[in-house]
Amino acid sequence: EAQVTQNPRYLITVTGKKLTVTCSQNMNHEYMSWYRQDPGLGLRQIYYSMNVEVTDKGDVPEGYKVSRKEKRNFPLILESPSPNQTSLYFCASSLLAGANTEAFFGQGTRLTVV
Amino acid sequence: GENVEQHPSTLSVQEGDSAVIKCTYSDSASNYFPWYKQELGKRPQLIIDIRSNVGEKKDQRIAVTLNKTAKHFSLHITETQPEDSAVYFCAASILGGDKLIFGTGTRLQVFP
Repeated sequence: EAQVTQNPRYLITVTGKKLTVTCSQNMNHEYMSWYRQDPGLGLRQIYYSMNVEVTDKGDVPEGYKVSRKEKRNFPLILESPSPNQTSLYFCASSLLAGANTEAFFGQGTRLTVV
Repeated sequence: GENVEQHPSTLSVQEGDSAVIKCTYSDSASNYFPWYKQELGKRPQLIIDIRSNVGEKKDQRIAVTLNKTAKHFSLHITETQPEDSAVYFCAASILGGDKLIFGTGTRLQVFP
């Protein structure tokens, strides 16, 4: 089944404790991105990747890191999480190297930083 | 950079009525405008999209219109049903561009 898989679905952590949210797609998509969803603010892009080894900042990259060593995986890393990073996170992938084809979203990761 | 504004933030309609959600964008170079539906507790999913070479696109009860001159586009849902209740997001992107910019979302409630 074609899908984007994120793990974990739910995570509660403490301030400053490094964490990684994994994202994997099995559709051979070139474009992958991370968004955070907050009430009243919609979906804001954190980082994106046009292809393997190519990553770039979105609109809210502060406090996050990503890597794209393989086409299928695009992990999101929070080196030192803070409470303002409490949010619902979505990974997404698109077929082409660009943002103008259908984005397929993962199930979401609800992160709470205390 | 691109900015997308979406209105209203909440919309309540009676079953069978029509619902209209409007978005405006700032970058005249934008030419791809998708709409995503997010049901409660679920992931966003594409329901319809339009490119700037057309002014209107329909798919059963949903339609999207685009006015490039005014830089706005709208989602129209006719004969609404309770299962249309969800949050709807508009978005904009430039052909070959690297970012998809989303609006802030509209929570649609359809009352039976």
